[in-house]
Amino acid sequence: DVKVTQSSRYLVKRTGEKVFLECVQDMDHENMFWYRQDPGLGLRLIYFSYDVKMKEKGDIPEGYSVSREKKERFSLILESASTNQTSMYLCASSLRPSGANVLTFGAGSRLTVL
Amino acid sequence: AQKVTQAQTEISVVEKEDVTLDCVYETRDTTYYLFWYKQPPSGELVFLIRRNSFDEQNEISGRYSWNFQKSTSSFNFTITASQVVDSAVYFCALILMNTGFQKLVFGTGTRLLVSP
Repeated sequence: DVKVTQSSRYLVKRTGEKVFLECVQDMDHENMFWYRQDPGLGLRLIYFSYDVKMKEKGDIPEGYSVSREKKERFSLILESASTNQTSMYLCASSLRPSGANVLTFGAGSRLTVL
Repeated sequence: AQKVTQAQTEISVVEKEDVTLDCVYETRDTTYYLFWYKQPPSGELVFLIRRNSFDEQNEISGRYSWNFQKSTSSFNFTITASQVVDSAVYFCALILMNTGFQKLVFGTGTRLLVSP
């Protein structure tokens, strides 16, 4: 089974801190995604990557950046965390760059910014 | 622009009841896929079904069934004889196939609570 592992399930950070959320997948998937999940808003795409060192903005990229130095790892970076970034962050991966691929999700990282 | 609407925010049922989760989508494209995902309390979304726009056949998988109707732009999900383990948030999603990189558009989710 494909596994997507998010290193931290729960994080508490202070306003202005730099935050790294790490995601690793173990099945050689091309695509990786970061979503943000908020009540009443569903899942919103922050960034995605279809190859190493390639990244594309999603629907809500402001305040975030990403890094994909290796195929299996996709990091989400909050340069200066703010309270409105308190949320559940979900990482996902899929096999190929194109097509209606099924996403495999990690268990999520719940971030609280104080 | 494409959009997915799940009007039911939360549904509560008692075990063994049947329950239908509604999903209405909007797109002008003719080629697309629809998905359902389940998010149990553990947090990890789990894929349930994928259906393409040219296949309106309904699908049944055990206690789960899906009704796809292009005429009403709906892709509803029914759980028969619900169980406590069905308690989760369910997301419907849409992906278009005619533009560069395909991105999933999710609905806002329906929380299903099944009590014993």
